[in-house]
Amino acid sequence: DQQVKQNSPSLSVQEGRISILNCDYTNSMFDYFLWYKKYPAEGPTFLISISSIKDKNEDGRFTVFLNKSAKHLSLHIVPSQPGDSAVYFCAAEGGSEKLVFGKGTKLTVNP
Amino acid sequence: GAGVSQSPSNKVTEKGKDVELRCDPISGHTALYWYRQSLGQGLEFLIYFQGNSAPDKSGLPSDRFSAERTGGSVSTLTIQRTQQEDSAVYLCASSFSASGANVLTFGAGSRLTVL
Repeated sequence: DQQVKQNSPSLSVQEGRISILNCDYTNSMFDYFLWYKKYPAEGPTFLISISSIKDKNEDGRFTVFLNKSAKHLSLHIVPSQPGDSAVYFCAAEGGSEKLVFGKGTKLTVNP
Repeated sequence: GAGVSQSPSNKVTEKGKDVELRCDPISGHTALYWYRQSLGQGLEFLIYFQGNSAPDKSGLPSDRFSAERTGGSVSTLTIQRTQQEDSAVYLCASSFSASGANVLTFGAGSRLTVL
């Protein structure tokens, strides 16, 4: 029973273009959503979060959009840079302090 | 310390042996988590410690897995009688409970290979 789903295992974009990473969830009780970035041989690092009472949160090149009715969120990176190439994990929190993670999407930004 | 420290970074063991993985969380962080990432999979929750409360062990896959947190700081994850399916990267994270999103800070992980 996967509560957080990232249906695209990989995504490839050109440098300077927009990267859009998608995430779907099933539990309507989640109250926060987070995105983490992971480079090989390193632990995941926190990128950006959004509360369930918001529909958008922006931090520099990174924006997260939340559509509660569709139980869908997305991470937009614009402009994309080669250094953004990593695995991106969507995570959700609600009811306890555990984070539930998706399987990740590997982003490759080509120069 | 400045970050979450895990040791060993790599461990190769034979099937049936016991292993211990260590995590040193960020000083002052009250919550400590263990997750694991198997090949091609996401981060799977294992266990969670919060202050002096009883740990949430709901993610431990079998009774061969156990963890303790001594003095509210360092944690050890023990896997007894290791099996090949235990091969994974074991990630420790810590956080400081406050209002807002619970942001976990992860260590670099311990890669376990069971032959």
